[in-house]
Amino acid sequence: DAKTTQPPSMDCAEGRAANLPCNHSTISGNEYVYWYRQIHSQGPQYIIHGLKNNETNEMASLIITEDRKSSTLILPHATLRDTAVYYCIVRVRGETSGSRLTFGEGTQLTVNP
Amino acid sequence: GAGVSQSPRYKVAKRGQDVALRCDPISGHVSLFWYQQALGQGPEFLTYFQNEAQLDKSGLPSDRFFAERPEGSVSTLKIQRTQQEDSAVYLCASSLVGQPQHFGDGTRLSIL
Repeated sequence: DAKTTQPPSMDCAEGRAANLPCNHSTISGNEYVYWYRQIHSQGPQYIIHGLKNNETNEMASLIITEDRKSSTLILPHATLRDTAVYYCIVRVRGETSGSRLTFGEGTQLTVNP
Repeated sequence: GAGVSQSPRYKVAKRGQDVALRCDPISGHVSLFWYQQALGQGPEFLTYFQNEAQLDKSGLPSDRFFAERPEGSVSTLKIQRTQQEDSAVYLCASSLVGQPQHFGDGTRLSIL
């Protein structure tokens, strides 16, 4: 799986949009970008994933650049409960051999009141 | 419940003891994963099951670690002759094949 690079920490004001960047310059054509987050003392929580088109769900939006070498996770209106470590992961989807998730260090997002 | 359930939530054992950690996946999920998370680090893959078949155990750190899923549902991770370096949070995740993994809240194992 391709390696990802994320900033170690970010701060965001409550109610503002949180934009979390991820670089994955060695991503392959069949690799998807996944985002998970982990709130303290809980297991990782799936947020969103995409291949090359922008994606949106009830939790967040995922913007992938045209060359697919980077992406941004957007939390449109951050709340205190969004304080967590956010992991960007790239992996092949749907194949047994690529089923594992390879977590990096992630970004510690702190939402401030 | 609807999510992945892990038990016990916390486990304290003396060095050298054997421990068993249980995972109840989401009903109908074929795929089941175990991860180990050291303090301040991201989770690291241990092993993967598809139904009862253990298809990948390349992440198990030593032969003291053993996982099983005999009926393709509940899984148990067993650690024999525990060492202090085994102290970590052990996470279980389940999914439909090729779909996003859903995690339990883990078992925090402390070896004294």
